[in-house]
Amino acid sequence: AQSVTQLDSQVPVFEEAPVELRCNYSSSVSVYLFWYVQYPNQGLQLLLKYLSGSTLVESINGFEAEFNKSQTSFHLRKPSVHISDTAEYFCAVSRQGGSEKLVFGKGTKLTVNP
Amino acid sequence: EAGVAQSPRYKIIEKRQSVAFWCNPISGHATLYWYQQILGQGPKLLIQFQNNGVVDDSQLPKDRFSAERLKGVDSTLKIQPAKLEDSAVYLCASSPRTSGGALYEQFFGPGTRLTVL
Repeated sequence: AQSVTQLDSQVPVFEEAPVELRCNYSSSVSVYLFWYVQYPNQGLQLLLKYLSGSTLVESINGFEAEFNKSQTSFHLRKPSVHISDTAEYFCAVSRQGGSEKLVFGKGTKLTVNP
Repeated sequence: EAGVAQSPRYKIIEKRQSVAFWCNPISGHATLYWYQQILGQGPKLLIQFQNNGVVDDSQLPKDRFSAERLKGVDSTLKIQPAKLEDSAVYLCASSPRTSGGALYEQFFGPGTRLTVL
């Protein structure tokens, strides 16, 4: 079975500051990795994903995440955040070759203050 | 293209009552998922359909929860009778995956917030 740990339940930062949201996973088999974002009163949206190839993946709005197999991590980073990045961020894994069921972490609430 | 639709958006019931949620996936999406998101936790898969067949319902409390996907399109999730611990947001998602295909993105609906008093 797979599990995901997001160590920080809340991360407050100031606008234009860098941010890192941490994600570690546990799995005995190879997995795909995802970050989803949930804005207030909205559904989950895929932010970025790692399936194969380059371990560094980027989103269209400046976020990036790096797959580190030896540390079983997939941390999310942004060099300069905006007020509009305020949301809850969920890390998730899916077993390769499986049913594509997503196993989510508990989420990290990112609050960007002016 | 239209997204995943869910109704109602909010529901308040008393324990031991019954409730049903409806989901209409994105047109043409073969796979449909129901997730339960309890406050402070990440979503947890309850059931996954591929067309109108069940792929995974290992975490569905079958003594009180049931789900169906008639004709492989929209789906209904029912709770009967509800318990206090069922208070959560119920998320529906769909993906265009077919068997043996590559991994596709799951698209989520806005969810139904259930409060059981």
